[in-house]
Amino acid sequence: GDSVTQMEGPVTLSEEAFLTINCTYTATGYPSLFWYVQYPGEGLQLLLKATKADDKGSNKGFEATYRKETTSFHLEKGSVQVSDSAVYFCALGETSGSRLTFGEGTQLTVNP
Amino acid sequence: EAGVAQSPRYKIIEKRQSVAFWCNPISGHATLYWYQQILGQGPKLLIQFQNNGVVDDSQLPKDRFSAERLKGVDSTLKIQPAKLEDSAVYLCASSLWTGGTDTQYFGPGTRLTVL
Repeated sequence: GDSVTQMEGPVTLSEEAFLTINCTYTATGYPSLFWYVQYPGEGLQLLLKATKADDKGSNKGFEATYRKETTSFHLEKGSVQVSDSAVYFCALGETSGSRLTFGEGTQLTVNP
Repeated sequence: EAGVAQSPRYKIIEKRQSVAFWCNPISGHATLYWYQQILGQGPKLLIQFQNNGVVDDSQLPKDRFSAERLKGVDSTLKIQPAKLEDSAVYLCASSLWTGGTDTQYFGPGTRLTVL
């Protein structure tokens, strides 16, 4: 079945550092791909999405490109802030419906 | 626009007791989902409703979990009897129905602790 694999965490960075969180997926067909963020004590919020190959999703300085050839959707940000500290989830939306399959999540801590 | 509402936010019960969670989706959203998020893991879909009909309950432990959405708006998820391994955050999400992969909007969740 469909699955999502995220890089193991936690990740700790200094403010203004470059961020990459790796995400690869296994799916049949052509799924949509998502990054969700979960701040402490809150529910998941959609960060960005891409619905087809080569699409780039972007929001709040974060970017991810849907790479069909490498089955990847890596999350990047050029300069992280303390306020970016959260858990980031990569997710896959099945083509046959709207169920989401999530990765395990990556805890990001940004220190001043 | 109001988001997805859930209650209670926290619940502590003993094993073998029963518990119920409530969810009110975003107005106009036909699709409603219940996910279980165990600590350190990603959310896992338990059940998906389209209006008041069940679309997917393949991962719902039906011997102890039940859910309903009688009027196609709010929903309740029940566990009876609870086990220690049911300790998790229960997330409700909703989305518009466009026939494709719609963006899901999540509520704050209910954190259940089973002692």
